[in-house]
Amino acid sequence: QIQLVQSGAEMKKPGASVRVSCKGSGYTFSNYAISWVRQAPGQGLEWIGWISDSNSNTYYSQKFQGRVTMTTDAFTTTAYMEVRSLRSDDTAVYYCARGVAVDHWGQGTLVTVSS
Amino acid sequence: DVVMTQSPLSLSVTLGQPASISCRSSQSLLYSDGNTYLSWFQQRPGQSPRRLIYEVSHRDSRVPDRFSGSGSGSDFTLKISRVEAEDVGVYYCMQGTQWPYTFGQGTKLEIK
Repeated sequence: QIQLVQSGAEMKKPGASVRVSCKGSGYTFSNYAISWVRQAPGQGLEWIGWISDSNSNTYYSQKFQGRVTMTTDAFTTTAYMEVRSLRSDDTAVYYCARGVAVDHWGQGTLVTVSS
Repeated sequence: DVVMTQSPLSLSVTLGQPASISCRSSQSLLYSDGNTYLSWFQQRPGQSPRRLIYEVSHRDSRVPDRFSGSGSGSDFTLKISRVEAEDVGVYYCMQGTQWPYTFGQGTKLEIK
């Protein structure tokens, strides 16, 4: 079955960086984009961006431009998202999902930013 | 950015009764390819979101047929014909027509 398995929870200090991974299985990884969405505690869903399947083009929401980098490794069928210059309001659960249609989601990775 | 506005923001429904959630977009979601990229998601407490409906009215596999989506342009509706206990959670609409894609604020469904 289609699965997206994300890395574990992270605790970071303000100004640090975090990298979240997302391993896809049960489908042809290279045929689909990977999207990233986050959810602050008790809040709604917010798009961060996505990385295309064909040429690894990236599309970032303007809010995250310059602070986020998305990559994929087709050999290990793993996607990565790095967020830099973390602030306390980056505390959230970060989700990866398959494609821009986001039809299957990972279990989420809680990133806590606190001094 | 396209603003997605859901109503109501909370819904209390008796088991077995119908429920309806509205989602309006600040501009038409009809894409140049003729498709309308409006999806609905369910997020049960403590779980990841799950897609229920895509392209307005297409139900995902293993989604019960009591869920249905309708609408066009900038006005969409998710209906649950008979609410069951497992339907408790937050429902989000999402537009995938214009980047950046955007979600509605969410509608919390509880059982009365």
